[in-house]
Amino acid sequence: GAVVSQHPSWVICKSGTSVKIECRSLDFQATTMFWYRQFPKQSLMLMATSNEGSKATYEQGVEKDKFLINHASLTLSTLTVTSAHPEDSSFYICSARGSRSDSKLSGRLGDTQYFGPGTRLTVL
Amino acid sequence: KNQVEQSPQSLIILEGKNCTLQCNYTVSPFSNLRWYKQDTGRGPVSLTIMTFSENTKSNGRYTATLDADTKQSSLHITASQLSDSASYICVVEREYGNKLVFGAGTILRVKS
Repeated sequence: GAVVSQHPSWVICKSGTSVKIECRSLDFQATTMFWYRQFPKQSLMLMATSNEGSKATYEQGVEKDKFLINHASLTLSTLTVTSAHPEDSSFYICSARGSRSDSKLSGRLGDTQYFGPGTRLTVL
Repeated sequence: KNQVEQSPQSLIILEGKNCTLQCNYTVSPFSNLRWYKQDTGRGPVSLTIMTFSENTKSNGRYTATLDADTKQSSLHITASQLSDSASYICVVEREYGNKLVFGAGTILRVKS
């Protein structure tokens, strides 16, 4: 299936610092990327949707100035947690969606979402 | 309201036994329904994806069913293995915008 990677897989930082998480689609072009947050024993919660070359759309209650999203290319989106605090500690997961017209995705629901492996953020 | 409900919340079974997980949804308009396996500390991995016209789909020891009329789905795991211990998440994708609606998941633990 389509491959989505995230880097780093885990990060520990001090309170007040900023952390950048990368999400890459390795074998297809991702026209849209999604960022999710997951707290222990809870399901994924959508934070924002980003389309290549345009501003991200944030879900209600998600601070856009705190969670900066950049989707500069069709294979890379970044999430920057600015001035991180302990309550930002969570598991962050991205997903990427390609295009039905992408031959690499044909027959595999080309416009569906493929998830990355996640990034564990711990803020001390 | 667009919702996905899963049952049971958690389940413990012995290695080698079969089990069935349930999913009911009220999501509309419906695009497709997926089952994901999520190991602790990992991202979700797709097991099956079914569109409106598909009633059943298998992936190895995993078999998913879909009844679009009653808006119910099930995931059957055959001859369970210790490595099947994980959270199983039912997700329904909405048409037009492709937003995913997640179930809370069923935590499965397979004991030896």
